Amino acid sequence: SQQGEEDPQALSIQEGENATMNCSYKTSINNLQWYRQNSGRGLVHLILIRSNEREKHSGRLRVTLDTSKKSSSLLITASRAADTASYFCATDPTSGTYKYIFGTGTRLKVLA
Amino acid sequence: EAQVTQNPRYLITVTGKKLTVTCSQNMNHEYMSWYRQDPGLGLRQIYYSMNVEVTDKGDVPEGYKVSRKEKRNFPLILESPSPNQTSLYFCASSSVTPGRNYGYTFGSGTRLTVV
Repeated sequence: SQQGEEDPQALSIQEGENATMNCSYKTSINNLQWYRQNSGRGLVHLILIRSNEREKHSGRLRVTLDTSKKSSSLLITASRAADTASYFCATDPTSGTYKYIFGTGTRLKVLA
Repeated sequence: EAQVTQNPRYLITVTGKKLTVTCSQNMNHEYMSWYRQDPGLGLRQIYYSMNVEVTDKGDVPEGYKVSRKEKRNFPLILESPSPNQTSLYFCASSSVTPGRNYGYTFGSGTRLTVV
């Protein structure tokens, strides 16, 4: 299976609520990244967290990383309809290659 | 504007007719990569390139070729396309640093249909 597995596969919330997505992975990593994809468009890089970091913020985004559990979470606070998209985690393994591995994504729908 | 440009955006072709999807980046990135995206399978890496004349296979390289003759360009070649290569394709690039603290910049995608 993919290195990155997002959970849940789909999430539907009301505008103003917080959205939390989780990512689990299998091997040691240099960093983990989160991307957003609007329907059928290219992915947009949101945030990168290094393996020696535990939490990172960017605007309404909060990312945590637990390397002991090999998991990460992305929290979007005060969600907006414009946040409706698919969200992917990508891991950069320490295996020595630059083969970022993407998960299958979480589809977020924010209802106005 | 810093960007990765893919062409074409949409392509319908017939089985066996060779095609090339172009990818160009204007950020002087060393690293470039091709992915395909299929429902339920996420993004799977086809090929990647660490620099000019340096390419390597990703997870699903069968049926594809790439070349990296110039730093900015990384075309994807399908010598004899088949229907199972119908997919959404993305080119991406990244800077390479010792700390590896940069994410990808993605192109807008190429939706390929092989009939």
